[in-house]
Amino acid sequence: DAKTTQPTSMDCAEGRAANLPCNHSTISGNEYVYWYRQIHSQGPQYIIHGLKNNETNEMASLIITEDRKSSTLILPHATLRDTAVYYCIVRSTPFNFNKFYFGSGTKLNVKP
Amino acid sequence: NAGVTQTPKFQVLKTGQSMTLQCAQDMNHEYMSWYRQDPGMGLRLIHYSVGAGITDQGEVPNGYNVSRSTTEDFPLRLLSAAPSQTSVYFCASSFRDRGQDTQYFGPGTRLTVL
Repeated sequence: DAKTTQPTSMDCAEGRAANLPCNHSTISGNEYVYWYRQIHSQGPQYIIHGLKNNETNEMASLIITEDRKSSTLILPHATLRDTAVYYCIVRSTPFNFNKFYFGSGTKLNVKP
Repeated sequence: NAGVTQTPKFQVLKTGQSMTLQCAQDMNHEYMSWYRQDPGMGLRLIHYSVGAGITDQGEVPNGYNVSRSTTEDFPLRLLSAAPSQTSVYFCASSFRDRGQDTQYFGPGTRLTVL
């Protein structure tokens, strides 16, 4: 699976959109982009995933560039409860457990 | 559904002791896995299972054993605890849908080895 690069930390004002970038320049055609988050001391929580098209669900939107080498997770109206570490992961099809790298993620600090 | 449950939430062991971390899921998921997370780090895969009776090693399997006798349960055994095994342990389950699967994680077990 392709490795990903994310900023170590980001700040966002409460009520504003949080845009979290991820670079995955070595992604291949059958690899999906997944986003998870981990709120302090809790287990990771699935947010969203996509292959090439933009995706939206009740939690967030995922924008994938046309060349698929980068993506952005958008939390449209960040709240204090969105403060967490956000992980961008690229995963192949079929899924291989031994090539599923969580990495260090981006610590998002939502400030009042 | 309770989802993925883990017991105990906290545990303190002395070096050389053995113990079993319990993990159960009620979603009828085929796949289950164990990760450890050291302070400030991402998750590292210890062992995983793609079905009852089938297990395999992940990135950091040494010092740990697993078995999968039922779909619901996937216990992790520490054979002889060492201080290097002090960590937070997460269990996850998932099922495959059109080649993709989404993992659901438990709340974690915080283990300290003295």
